[in-house]
Amino acid sequence: KQEVTQIPAALSVPEGENLVLNCSFTDSAIYNLQWFRQDPGKGLTSLLLIQSSQREQTSGRLNASLDKSSGRSTLYIAASQPGDSATYLCAVSTGNQFYFGTGTSLTVIP
Amino acid sequence: DAGVIQSPRHEVTEMGQEVTLRCKPISGHNSLFWYRQTMMRGLELLIYFNNNVPIDDSGMPEDRFSAKMPNASFSTLKIQPSEPRDSAVYFCASRDRGYNEQFFGPGTRLTVL
Repeated sequence: KQEVTQIPAALSVPEGENLVLNCSFTDSAIYNLQWFRQDPGKGLTSLLLIQSSQREQTSGRLNASLDKSSGRSTLYIAASQPGDSATYLCAVSTGNQFYFGTGTSLTVIP
Repeated sequence: DAGVIQSPRHEVTEMGQEVTLRCKPISGHNSLFWYRQTMMRGLELLIYFNNNVPIDDSGMPEDRFSAKMPNASFSTLKIQPSEPRDSAVYFCASRDRGYNEQFFGPGTRLTVL
């Protein structure tokens, strides 16, 4: 069974800092990987989707990379802002099955 | 599009009662997913429909749980009878053809007393 791990579980940074969130998975036979943001008491908002044939995707200040062979993905957030404070989850898809990490709780301090 | 719509947003019920959660996927999406989120277990996929047909229900915890998708624009998740350990946030998500992004609804927070 696919296992998805996110490290660190929590992260606190000052505003303006660049940061990296990590996601690792045990089975490299994936279809795609998706990064989400979840605000307290809210649903999940899709941030970026990387297909298995891609190595990275960018959206604004966010950049996600994928190294399928090593079972790793990173989410890079540039020039962090207090509004970026949320829990970030990665999800690995094998087509019909989806496996979520437990998330990284990010706090950006003004 | 209004996105994925779920109702109710909050449900408080007593043990033993029947609970029905509802979901309207994004128009044109052909895949629908039901998830459960708890502090202890995180997000778990319960069941997945493709073109209104249940494809994988291996995540459904017990026979007390059932899900239906009578048409492309509506799905229900039913718990009968409900138990306190069913308390969680239940999310519905949909996806279009081509295995692209999943889009989540706002969730239903269920509390079983």
